Amino acid sequence: DIVMTQSPDSLAVSLGERATINCRSSQSLLYSANNKNYLAWYQQKPGQPPKLLIYWASTRESGVPDRFSGSGSGTDFTLTISTLQAEDVAVYYCQQYFSTPLLTFGPGTKVDVK
Amino acid sequence: EVQLVQSGAEVKKPGESLKISCKGSGYSFSNYWVAWVRQMAGKGLEWMGSIYPGDSDTRYSPSFQGQVTISADKFINTAHLQWSSLEASDTAIYFCARHADTGSVGDWGQGTLVTVSS
Repeated sequence: DIVMTQSPDSLAVSLGERATINCRSSQSLLYSANNKNYLAWYQQKPGQPPKLLIYWASTRESGVPDRFSGSGSGTDFTLTISTLQAEDVAVYYCQQYFSTPLLTFGPGTKVDVK
Repeated sequence: EVQLVQSGAEVKKPGESLKISCKGSGYSFSNYWVAWVRQMAGKGLEWMGSIYPGDSDTRYSPSFQGQVTISADKFINTAHLQWSSLEASDTAIYFCARHADTGSVGDWGQGTLVTVSS
């Protein structure tokens, strides 16, 4: 089974500042046949279902603000919020779908305003 | 517009059975995997399993294999998650979600709160 870890568990960032979340997988999520990383990022606000932000490690879902960006390859990935807005307060999860339909989520990172 | 509409909140006693549902619309239900995801209070997301309604191919997380049953009826565009004997530890919100063409999970139901208490 692919195990996902995230760091930090939580972080507090001033409005307008950058937030960076890290995600690591226990095995490579890069599929050599298509050179794609099977890694997604989700945002979950209280009382709501998760929302897909990024897939293929760096492709933004339609309608997601461009202050959200994803990077990384293989086993190490990063979600960056370039300028934190109040509405970005949420828990963020990474997820592997390399073994789809078998999925694994990371434990989540809580983002708050400092 | 893709929609996944889940059945309402449930309150059950330990040992009781339960079946909750997720009805898809706005897409070809038979042709996309549907996942079930558990979220216990204040905790993270746990993938329980997924089903392909077209042929009912079902895959389970080892953590949930034997604990729940996932099924689907492609004729009424509905997936189900069921328990034969609930425990207090099954208290959680359960989400259904559609696997996107990419394999990630793009569309989510609103969640069903299941409370198991004596």
